[in-house]
Formats: sequence, structure tokens, C-alpha cells
Amino acid sequence: AAGVIQSPRHLIKEKRETATLKCYPIPRHDTVYWYQQGPGQDPQFLISFYEKMQSDKGSIPDRFSAQQFSDYHSELNMSSLELGDSALYFCASSGRLPQETQYFGPGTRLLVL
Amino acid sequence: DQQVKQNSPSLSVQEGRISILNCDYTNSMFDYFLWYKKYPAEGPTFLISISSIKDKNEDGRFTVFLNKSAKHLSLHIVPSQPGDSAVYFCAASGPLSGSARQLTFGSGTQLTVLP
Repeated sequence: AAGVIQSPRHLIKEKRETATLKCYPIPRHDTVYWYQQGPGQDPQFLISFYEKMQSDKGSIPDRFSAQQFSDYHSELNMSSLELGDSALYFCASSGRLPQETQYFGPGTRLLVL
Repeated sequence: DQQVKQNSPSLSVQEGRISILNCDYTNSMFDYFLWYKKYPAEGPTFLISISSIKDKNEDGRFTVFLNKSAKHLSLHIVPSQPGDSAVYFCAASGPLSGSARQLTFGSGTQLTVLP
């Protein structure tokens, strides 16, 4: 079965640079979530989109923005990168039911030097 | 303040025996609970879930129990296999103002199944 696809899998950037992470949800899933997992921490919710509209916002810095496109893929844009942004970034997708399970992608490991 | 807590950072179990992973939550608005398994450098893999209208859900070797009055859930793995060795995350969600439901994760429990 098709899973959530994230690209790139690994990314190295320098401080103050920008980065764009991409997420392709499972086909027919219309909701996308972004999570950040720092070293030794549990995943923290950043932001979600339902039917191409922002749905909920968590602990996402103002330097970050995201959107969901007409084909339901989503991009997380990160600007003015800081060392503390180094983390695993997971995307998850779910279907239409209120309690639909979220399925996670393999993650993008971002390292900021 | 952590709303979902996994108080045991690690657990070791002999192959063939039962593994019991525990999770406590504080937010009474949570109404859907999930367990994920995670290997290093991979995304969380969904294992099993339970709605707050139930107290038990079973899927093969995995059973999740929910005690709403105690705000406690547990994952039982029987029999445990070496391939079950991974970090297990408990997660919870509840009705929010938006249309999508964010997950709140516990800190994870490292399960090691010894051959």
C-alpha cells in the first residue's frame, strides 16, 4: 500500500539559510500534519491542513510557514534557520473521519550547522 | 505540563512473555488514543488505536486497554518477539476547534525483547 512520502530524507543547511520540506500524503487522504522531533524528545505538533486550508497550529515558530496544494501535497518552509531547528520533521496524513488514524512518513532529518 | 505521560523510559522482556507498556493522560477531552512503534531514523508506525467509547481493542498480538476513570491506557504484546524491540509512543487526540486533530505524544518507552 502507498505510504506518506517525504523529501528530502536528509538536509544540511547553515544558520540563517532557508529550507523547504515536502510531503505527499497517502492517496485520498485530505489532511496533512507536520511534527518536529528534537533529539531525545517526543514528536511535537507544528501545524495541520484540511482540504488545503490551515486547520490547527501548534508550536510552529513564526519563521516557519506551510501550505497544502491542490493535489494535497504540503510544503513546510523554514527561514532564518537556527541551530535549534536541527531535528526530525515528520509529516502524517489522515482521511476524512473525525477520528481517522494518522499515518506517518519516514521523516526528513534536518541538520543546521 | 505533559498531557500524555509514559513513565517507564525502558522495558526489557523475555521472548515469548507478555510486554505491558503503560500510558497516563491528564486531559479529559482526549477521546482517541493510539500506539505507534518507532525505529531510529524512521517515522512512527501505527499499531493500534482505541476510542473512548471502548475499554479494549485487540489486533493479533496487540491489545490496548483503556481505563477512562483512571485516565490510563496500556498496550499488551503477547507473545513478545525480538522484532518488537523498538520505541513505543502513546498518543492522544481530542476534539479541537479545527477540522483536523493533532496528536499529543508521550515520551516513549524503549522495549527490548531478549531472545
